Amino acid sequence: DAEITQSPRHKITETGRQVTLACHQTWNHNNMFWYRQDLGHGLRLIHYSYGVQDTNKGEVSDGYSVSRSNTEDLPLTLESAASSQTSVYFCASSEGNSPLHFGNGTRLTVT
Amino acid sequence: QKEVEQNSGPLSVPEGAIASLNCTYSDRGSQSFFWYRQYSGKSPELIMFIYSNGDKEDGRFTAQLNKASQYVSLLIRDSQPSDSATYLCADYGGATNKLIFGTGTLLAVQP
Repeated sequence: DAEITQSPRHKITETGRQVTLACHQTWNHNNMFWYRQDLGHGLRLIHYSYGVQDTNKGEVSDGYSVSRSNTEDLPLTLESAASSQTSVYFCASSEGNSPLHFGNGTRLTVT
Repeated sequence: QKEVEQNSGPLSVPEGAIASLNCTYSDRGSQSFFWYRQYSGKSPELIMFIYSNGDKEDGRFTAQLNKASQYVSLLIRDSQPSDSATYLCADYGGATNKLIFGTGTLLAVQP
């Protein structure tokens, strides 16, 4: 069965370190998204991609970057982790404007 | 201005009652709307989507869309304790083509 996988599930890192969160989908979807979820804010869009070599900034993109070198993967990089980036991160994929399929999430703690 | 608004709750209903969850959106160009359910510590899962004005029913769930009033609702009939979760409303903005989420409504079904 097709799926979307995030890794790691949990990550603890120190302030200032570079961190990369992986997202891999086997749906063959063109659209991929990264959201963060914090209490009181719901799901906020960080970055998204509509295809290979395409990336776009979402509403909370500062301090994050993505790259799309193939259809299956959209890694999210925190260039210099900050405590404000402690959150739960969800990757999702879709085709067209069909519903999103979500990964299981990555809980990131920045100390 | 938040594009998708939801009351954060908690909304408490007795078992067997109808739970009514509401959502308003600001983008008049929005074409499609989604309801996701999220259990604590889990990823969002799709319950229903609706594109046209009126009602759409699926089992115990009914989604209602009123584009003139920019209002979307989700009714859950015969509520069960297992329905206790956070319900997220989302829309594909007509101008942005991105899925934007509300902050979610916490539903608590009391046995």
